Amino acid sequence: QVQLVQSGAEVKKPGASVKVSCKASGYTFTSYYIHWVRQAPGQGLEWMGKINPSGGSTSYAQKFQGRVTMTSDTSTSTVYMELSSLRSEDTAVYYCARRDCSSTSCYFEYWGQGTLVTVSS
Amino acid sequence: AIQMTQSPSSLSASVGDRVTITCRASQGIGNDLSWYQQKPGKAPNLLIYAASSLQSGVPSRFSGSGSGTDFTLTISSLQPEDFATYYCLQDYSYPWTFGQGTRVEIK
Repeated sequence: QVQLVQSGAEVKKPGASVKVSCKASGYTFTSYYIHWVRQAPGQGLEWMGKINPSGGSTSYAQKFQGRVTMTSDTSTSTVYMELSSLRSEDTAVYYCARRDCSSTSCYFEYWGQGTLVTVSS
Repeated sequence: AIQMTQSPSSLSASVGDRVTITCRASQGIGNDLSWYQQKPGKAPNLLIYAASSLQSGVPSRFSGSGSGTDFTLTISSLQPEDFATYYCLQDYSYPWTFGQGTRVEIK
C-alpha cells in the first residue's frame, strides 16, 4: 500500500533552517510528483511547492522562493523539504502529498502524517 | 494566482441535515477542483476530485458539482463522523490554491 512517512517534530530558533523528509513506499517513486503543503496552528492549508522525483525539477510558491529547497533521493525513495531563515510565522505542520491525476484533473490522494515545525527563541 | 473563496467559513448543523459548501474561483478553472475533509490532528482526506468524481471508499452522501468558477460540496445527510473542516483545492494552474476552509460543527 502507498505510504508517505515523514520525519519527526522539530524545534528551531529564528534564523535557522529545517529539513523535513518524506519517505515513499508502495509505488514507483519516480512516477509521481510530491507536493508540500503547510498548515499554521488553527489556520488553513497552504501550498508550498512540488518536485518531480524523476529528474528533480521543482516549482515553488512565490511566497517561499529563495527560502525553500525541495530535493529527492531515488536511492531511498525520499523527498526532502528544506526551509531556511525561519521565523515564528513558519511554525506549522508540514505535509507531503503525492499528486495523482485522472484523465482531466489532479489531486492529493495520499498524504504524509505531517511534521510539526516549531520556531521559537 | 487564482484565489479560491470558500463559504461559509463555518456552519452549525444537526445530524441528518443537508449541508452545502461553496467554493468560487477568481477565474475559470474548468473542473480542476478537489474537496478534502480534515479532522483535528490528521492529514486531509480526499473526498471529491475533478469537481464531481467521488473518491473510492467515500460515502455516497458526499457529492460535488460545478465547473468554471462556481463549485459545491454537498453532504446529503450529515452523520456524526462528518463534523470536520472541509477545503477545496484548485489544480488548474500553479500555484495550486486552497479555499480558506469551512468548519462544520454540531448544532
